Amino acid sequence: GAGVSQSPSNKVTEKGKDVELRCDPISGHTALYWYRQRLGQGLEFLIYFQGNSAPDKSGLPSDRFSAERTGESVSTLTIQRTQQEDSAVYLCASSLGSVGNTIYFGEGSWLTVV
Amino acid sequence: EDQVTQSPEALRLQEGESSSLNCSYTVSGLRGLFWYRQDPGKGPEFLFTLYSAGEEKEKERLKATLTKKESFLHITAPKPEDSATYLCAVKYGGATNKLIFGTGTLLAVQP
Repeated sequence: GAGVSQSPSNKVTEKGKDVELRCDPISGHTALYWYRQRLGQGLEFLIYFQGNSAPDKSGLPSDRFSAERTGESVSTLTIQRTQQEDSAVYLCASSLGSVGNTIYFGEGSWLTVV
Repeated sequence: EDQVTQSPEALRLQEGESSSLNCSYTVSGLRGLFWYRQDPGKGPEFLFTLYSAGEEKEKERLKATLTKKESFLHITAPKPEDSATYLCAVKYGGATNKLIFGTGTLLAVQP
């Protein structure tokens, strides 16, 4: 596609429910990233995929968070047993994968846990 | 500790009043410094990448420069549509291929 596509754009869920957030990277981009941005704060790195493997998962905040990527394309970020502190914008990004290549972001999935 | 710090946190300018935003970094083995613009409710929009000290990039009213310790984003004769949060991020030797972000500078340009 022309840009990084994320869905849903907005999600309201009840505390304790599981949510799945989807990311379609730019076609041909082998590297894919998930970031979290809480209201009024900077971007926190969550996980990085190169192809279908995840060499850096260091930013996942707890074992309630997981992500997978299949077919070197779509990625899904899953949050289990959501908590109110999980409320944030979840941003996906992609790049050609080589060091120094520009990373392009999607518009984000706004998650509100009530 | 590896760190990216942006200043000021917020900046209010009159239309046409030029200024600079600062991004200082303390990382080893810089592999790229990136500037993004973020509008409210949107994802970050790529502006520039700088790779080595002395490098400069320009786009319309924006000019980014890089030294061994910091980068500046110069805004010349800003317009209200330049109002946004400007984010700085780095890739460096110890951090795989991910970007480490500063907390941003919120720029407001008043007509």
